Amino acid sequence: KAGVTQTPRYLIKTRGQQVTLSCSPISGHRSVSWYQQTPGQGLQFLFEYFSETQRNKGNFPGRFSGRQFSNSRSEMNVSTLELGDSALYLCASSLTPSQASLYGYTFGSGTRLTVV
Amino acid sequence: EDQVTQSPEALRLQEGESSSLNCSYTVSGLRGLFWYRQDPGKGPEFLFTLYSAGEEKEKERLKATLTKKESFLHITAPKPEDSATYLCAASLNDYKLSFGAGTTVTVRA
Repeated sequence: KAGVTQTPRYLIKTRGQQVTLSCSPISGHRSVSWYQQTPGQGLQFLFEYFSETQRNKGNFPGRFSGRQFSNSRSEMNVSTLELGDSALYLCASSLTPSQASLYGYTFGSGTRLTVV
Repeated sequence: EDQVTQSPEALRLQEGESSSLNCSYTVSGLRGLFWYRQDPGKGPEFLFTLYSAGEEKEKERLKATLTKKESFLHITAPKPEDSATYLCAASLNDYKLSFGAGTTVTVRA
Protein backbone atom coordinates (compact mmCIF):
# COMPACT_ATOMS: atom_id res chain seq x y z
CA LYS A 1 0.00 0.00 0.00
CA ALA A 2 1.14 3.55 -0.59
CA GLY A 3 3.12 5.17 2.19
CA VAL A 4 2.99 8.73 3.48
CA THR A 5 3.44 11.11 0.53
CA GLN A 6 4.91 14.55 0.97
CA THR A 7 5.09 17.17 -1.73
CA PRO A 8 7.17 18.82 -2.91
CA ARG A 9 10.39 16.96 -2.08
CA TYR A 10 12.56 20.06 -2.43
CA LEU A 11 11.78 23.75 -2.18
CA ILE A 12 13.86 26.90 -2.31
CA LYS A 13 12.28 30.09 -1.03
CA THR A 14 13.42 33.63 -0.33
CA ARG A 15 13.41 35.17 3.13
CA GLY A 16 10.07 36.84 3.81
CA GLN A 17 8.06 34.61 1.50
CA GLN A 18 5.54 32.05 2.64
CA VAL A 19 5.39 28.34 1.85
CA THR A 20 2.80 25.54 1.96
CA LEU A 21 3.80 21.90 2.32
CA SER A 22 1.48 18.99 1.69
CA CYS A 23 1.12 15.55 3.27
CA SER A 24 -1.08 12.64 2.20
CA PRO A 25 -1.23 10.01 4.95
CA ILE A 26 -1.58 6.28 4.46
CA SER A 27 -5.10 5.38 3.41
CA GLY A 28 -7.26 5.00 6.51
CA HIS A 29 -4.91 6.93 8.79
CA ARG A 30 -6.64 9.87 10.41
CA SER A 31 -3.83 11.20 12.60
CA VAL A 32 -1.15 13.38 11.03
CA SER A 33 1.84 14.90 12.84
CA TRP A 34 4.46 17.31 11.55
CA TYR A 35 8.09 17.52 12.64
CA GLN A 36 10.98 19.81 11.80
CA GLN A 37 14.43 18.23 11.51
CA THR A 38 17.63 20.27 11.57
CA PRO A 39 21.24 19.23 12.23
CA GLY A 40 21.41 21.39 15.36
CA GLN A 41 18.03 20.72 16.97
CA GLY A 42 17.19 17.25 15.67
CA LEU A 43 13.54 16.30 15.27
CA GLN A 44 11.12 18.72 16.89
CA PHE A 45 7.37 18.35 17.11
CA LEU A 46 5.34 21.00 15.29
CA PHE A 47 1.72 19.91 15.58
CA GLU A 48 -0.69 17.01 15.34
CA TYR A 49 -4.09 16.76 13.72
CA PHE A 50 -6.75 14.14 14.19
CA SER A 51 -10.10 14.21 12.42
CA GLU A 52 -9.50 17.78 11.21
CA THR A 53 -8.78 19.08 14.74
CA GLN A 54 -5.41 20.23 16.03
CA ARG A 55 -4.74 18.18 19.16
CA ASN A 56 -1.25 19.31 20.02
CA LYS A 57 1.12 22.08 19.14
CA GLY A 58 4.85 22.31 19.75
CA ASN A 59 6.89 25.33 20.77
CA PHE A 60 7.05 27.11 17.43
CA PRO A 61 6.07 30.69 16.61
CA GLY A 62 2.68 31.52 15.16
CA ARG A 63 4.25 31.77 11.70
CA PHE A 64 3.91 28.00 11.61
CA SER A 65 0.38 26.78 11.06
CA GLY A 66 -1.37 23.76 9.69
CA ARG A 67 -4.67 22.22 8.87
CA GLN A 68 -6.21 18.88 8.04
CA PHE A 69 -8.91 18.21 5.50
CA SER A 70 -11.84 15.81 5.65
CA ASN A 71 -9.89 13.25 3.59
CA SER A 72 -7.12 13.39 6.27
CA ARG A 73 -4.66 15.12 3.96
CA SER A 74 -2.76 17.84 5.79
CA GLU A 75 -0.94 21.00 4.91
CA MET A 76 1.44 23.12 6.90
CA ASN A 77 2.17 26.76 6.18
CA VAL A 78 5.10 28.90 7.17
CA SER A 79 4.73 32.62 6.68
CA THR A 80 7.43 35.30 6.61
CA LEU A 81 10.20 32.75 6.14
CA GLU A 82 13.48 33.19 8.01
CA LEU A 83 16.87 31.66 7.21
CA GLY A 84 16.53 29.49 10.32
CA ASP A 85 13.43 27.82 8.88
CA SER A 86 15.67 25.86 6.50
CA ALA A 87 15.07 22.24 7.48
CA LEU A 88 13.63 18.88 6.55
CA TYR A 89 9.92 18.91 7.33
CA LEU A 90 8.55 15.47 8.06
CA CYS A 91 4.98 14.30 8.18
CA ALA A 92 3.95 11.16 10.06
CA SER A 93 0.64 9.34 10.11
CA SER A 94 -1.15 6.74 12.19
CA LEU A 95 -4.65 5.29 12.40
CA THR A 96 -5.34 7.23 15.58
CA PRO A 97 -3.10 8.90 18.18
CA SER A 98 -3.50 5.98 20.59
CA GLN A 99 -2.74 3.43 17.85
CA ALA A 100 0.53 5.24 17.26
CA SER A 101 1.66 4.33 20.77
CA LEU A 102 1.25 0.65 19.81
CA TYR A 103 2.40 0.53 16.22
CA GLY A 104 4.47 3.65 15.83
CA TYR A 105 4.08 6.45 13.34
CA THR A 106 4.84 6.04 9.63
CA PHE A 107 6.92 8.90 8.33
CA GLY A 108 7.11 10.34 4.85
CA SER A 109 10.42 11.15 3.16
CA GLY A 110 10.02 14.81 3.97
CA THR A 111 10.19 18.15 2.20
CA ARG A 112 13.63 19.78 2.18
CA LEU A 113 13.05 23.54 2.52
CA THR A 114 15.92 25.92 1.87
CA VAL A 115 15.44 29.61 2.66
CA VAL A 116 17.89 31.97 0.97
CA GLU B 1 11.23 19.32 31.30
CA ASP B 2 10.99 16.20 29.15
CA GLN B 3 14.39 15.17 27.86
CA VAL B 4 15.69 12.33 25.71
CA THR B 5 19.47 11.95 25.36
CA GLN B 6 21.29 9.55 23.06
CA SER B 7 24.91 8.44 23.19
CA PRO B 8 27.28 8.20 21.54
CA GLU B 9 26.67 10.76 18.78
CA ALA B 10 28.54 8.61 16.28
CA LEU B 11 29.75 5.02 16.23
CA ARG B 12 32.14 3.49 13.72
CA LEU B 13 32.15 -0.32 13.70
CA GLN B 14 33.89 -3.02 11.78
CA GLU B 15 31.61 -5.57 10.17
CA GLY B 16 30.81 -8.20 12.81
CA GLU B 17 31.80 -5.97 15.73
CA SER B 18 28.80 -5.88 18.11
CA SER B 19 27.97 -2.74 20.08
CA SER B 20 25.22 -0.90 21.96
CA LEU B 21 23.54 2.48 21.66
CA ASN B 22 22.11 4.25 24.68
CA CYS B 23 18.97 6.34 25.09
CA SER B 24 18.33 7.89 28.49
CA TYR B 25 15.10 9.70 29.21
CA THR B 26 13.65 12.03 31.79
CA VAL B 27 9.99 12.40 30.99
CA SER B 28 6.71 12.50 32.82
CA GLY B 29 3.95 10.26 31.61
CA LEU B 30 5.89 7.90 29.34
CA ARG B 31 3.52 5.90 27.15
CA GLY B 32 6.22 4.11 25.19
CA LEU B 33 9.82 4.28 24.03
CA PHE B 34 10.34 4.10 20.28
CA TRP B 35 13.36 3.25 18.17
CA TYR B 36 13.55 4.44 14.58
CA ARG B 37 16.14 4.06 11.85
CA GLN B 38 16.79 6.92 9.43
CA ASP B 39 18.74 6.66 6.20
CA PRO B 40 20.11 9.79 4.48
CA GLY B 41 17.41 11.69 2.59
CA LYS B 42 14.60 9.57 4.02
CA GLY B 43 12.13 9.77 6.87
CA PRO B 44 12.55 7.68 10.03
CA GLU B 45 11.53 4.04 9.76
CA PHE B 46 9.83 2.44 12.76
CA LEU B 47 11.77 -0.38 14.46
CA PHE B 48 10.41 -1.05 17.97
CA THR B 49 8.14 0.15 20.73
CA LEU B 50 8.88 -0.73 24.35
CA TYR B 51 6.38 -0.09 27.10
CA SER B 52 7.63 -1.35 30.43
CA ALA B 53 10.92 -1.88 32.23
CA GLY B 54 12.40 -5.28 31.49
CA GLU B 55 10.81 -5.55 28.07
CA GLU B 56 12.97 -6.69 25.14
CA LYS B 57 12.28 -6.84 21.39
CA GLU B 58 14.36 -8.23 18.56
CA LYS B 59 14.49 -7.78 14.81
CA GLU B 60 17.25 -9.43 12.80
CA ARG B 61 20.54 -8.13 14.25
CA LEU B 62 18.86 -5.52 16.46
CA LYS B 63 17.67 -5.97 20.03
CA ALA B 64 16.10 -3.22 22.12
CA THR B 65 15.78 -3.27 25.90
CA LEU B 66 14.17 -0.90 28.38
CA THR B 67 14.82 0.03 32.01
CA LYS B 68 13.10 2.70 34.11
CA LYS B 69 15.53 5.38 32.98
CA GLU B 70 17.11 4.23 29.73
CA SER B 71 16.89 2.03 26.69
CA PHE B 72 19.60 0.21 24.79
CA LEU B 73 19.75 -0.81 21.16
CA HIS B 74 22.16 -3.69 20.71
CA ILE B 75 23.54 -4.38 17.25
CA THR B 76 24.88 -7.93 16.98
CA ALA B 77 27.42 -8.76 14.24
CA PRO B 78 26.50 -5.67 12.18
CA LYS B 79 26.71 -5.52 8.41
CA PRO B 80 27.36 -2.45 6.22
CA GLU B 81 23.63 -2.22 5.49
CA ASP B 82 23.05 -1.49 9.18
CA SER B 83 24.73 1.89 8.66
CA ALA B 84 22.16 4.57 9.47
CA THR B 85 21.14 7.07 12.12
CA TYR B 86 19.23 5.44 14.96
CA LEU B 87 16.73 7.63 16.78
CA CYS B 88 14.94 6.99 20.01
CA ALA B 89 11.79 8.83 20.99
CA ALA B 90 9.58 8.97 24.05
CA SER B 91 5.86 8.94 23.49
CA LEU B 92 4.36 11.22 26.09
CA ASN B 93 0.92 11.37 27.68
CA ASP B 94 -0.39 13.55 24.86
CA TYR B 95 0.96 11.07 22.27
CA LYS B 96 3.50 13.43 20.74
CA LEU B 97 7.05 12.13 20.31
CA SER B 98 10.07 13.69 21.97
CA PHE B 99 13.14 12.62 19.99
CA GLY B 100 16.77 12.25 20.96
CA ALA B 101 19.45 13.68 18.67
CA GLY B 102 20.30 10.26 17.27
CA THR B 103 23.37 8.03 16.95
CA THR B 104 24.94 7.74 13.51
CA VAL B 105 26.29 4.23 12.99
CA THR B 106 28.81 3.47 10.26
CA VAL B 107 29.71 -0.17 9.62
CA ARG B 108 32.81 -0.80 7.54
CA ALA B 109 33.21 -4.00 5.53
